[in-house]
Amino acid sequence: QVNLLQSGTALVKPGASVKLSCKTSGYPFTDYYIYWVKQSHGKSLEWIGSLNPNSGSADFNEKFKNKATLTVDKSTNTAYLEIPRLTSEDSATYYCTRAGYGAFAYWGQGTLVTVSS
Amino acid sequence: EIVLTQSPTTMSTSPGEKVTLTCLASSSVNYMYWYQQKSGASPKLLIYYTSLLPSGVPDRFSGSGSGTSYSLTITSMEAEDAAIYFCLQLTSFPFTFGSGTTLEIK
Repeated sequence: QVNLLQSGTALVKPGASVKLSCKTSGYPFTDYYIYWVKQSHGKSLEWIGSLNPNSGSADFNEKFKNKATLTVDKSTNTAYLEIPRLTSEDSATYYCTRAGYGAFAYWGQGTLVTVSS
Repeated sequence: EIVLTQSPTTMSTSPGEKVTLTCLASSSVNYMYWYQQKSGASPKLLIYYTSLLPSGVPDRFSGSGSGTSYSLTITSMEAEDAAIYFCLQLTSFPFTFGSGTTLEIK
């Protein structure tokens, strides 16, 4: 079955960077887009960007265009989200999701990022 | 950016009651998608292409609407339906979510 396993909780200092991983299994990795979503304060959801695992090309929400980097490693079926220069506004839970049913169908368990000195 | 406005913000319903949640878009969208998020869990796709149910979703859930007005209906509320419900549009960039409706059981 389709599974997206995300990296664990991250506690990082302001100004540092974080690289979150999303290891997929149960389907051909390059056949489906991967999306990243930010959930702040336990409620509001924001689409960060979409990644084509086959070509490596990405589309971004303008709000995150200069903030986030999306990459893949096809050898390990893993997608990555990197956020540099972290501030308290970046504290949130980050989800990777896979396309399906024309939507964000399959979700990872989420990674909680806390930015604090 | 298309803004999605959900109402009500919070709702408390008794078991067996019918529930209707609304999502209004600031511009016309082709389809609406609905998600259910229970406490401590990831969002779960509930409705796609406005009115279709993914496999495994109970048929007490239904979706309808067009243009700028969409709704999610639960025909008979169950305790396990207590959750936050979000709508999502994928018609234009940036993809946007509604701010959510918290549905509580009385």
